Amino acid sequence: EAGVAQSPRYKIIEKRQSVAFWCNPISGHATLYWYQQILGQGPKLLIQFQNNGVVDDSQLPKDRFSAERLKGVDSTLKIQPAKLEDSAVYLCASRSQRDRVPYEQYFGPGTRLTVT
Amino acid sequence: QKEVEQDPGPLSVPEGAIVSLNCTYSNSAFQYFMWYRQYSRKGPELLMYTYSSGNKEDGRFTAQVDKSSKYISLFIRDSQPSDSATYLCAMGKSTNAGKSTFGDGTTLTVKP
Repeated sequence: EAGVAQSPRYKIIEKRQSVAFWCNPISGHATLYWYQQILGQGPKLLIQFQNNGVVDDSQLPKDRFSAERLKGVDSTLKIQPAKLEDSAVYLCASRSQRDRVPYEQYFGPGTRLTVT
Repeated sequence: QKEVEQDPGPLSVPEGAIVSLNCTYSNSAFQYFMWYRQYSRKGPELLMYTYSSGNKEDGRFTAQVDKSSKYISLFIRDSQPSDSATYLCAMGKSTNAGKSTFGDGTTLTVKP
């Protein structure tokens, strides 16, 4: 079974520029999460999708961040415009509704964003 | 104050040592308690999870939850250099399956 795929792996942009990250979850996983992990901190949930609907986006800075999950499969997270404090690793994770463990999430390798 | 506080580390131990990693939390609604391992430049992977209180053992790893004290621990016996990683505790409520609140991680180095 292929894991969660993310691209790009690394991105360097200047502040006020825009950037987009892509995630392809494990096949059949209905739930998809985007996390932000700042260096030295744990992952912080930005948004949670169930199929193509948003379950929780309470911690998403909506003035600059947006996310979509078209057709309930792949997802894109966008930042526009970027700020220096957005420098972090952006992790995508997915989960199957059939998993007995409700918190068993499978993480991708992340996209490391540096804003200069 | 953060909902989940984790011993900051870093922690360096010799191979074969017993390692204790700890987290405290403030929200009594947490029912699920997880430990993730994160290698450098990789995403976290779930090591163990516990529902409510008690102990759970898996090979060299033991997870303990004390809800009365709002304290959880992960013990690693006979630690190996391959255990060198950052360990993240995470917690979740029954009301929103899947939304985890993470600690900031403890970085462990096991020296041969």
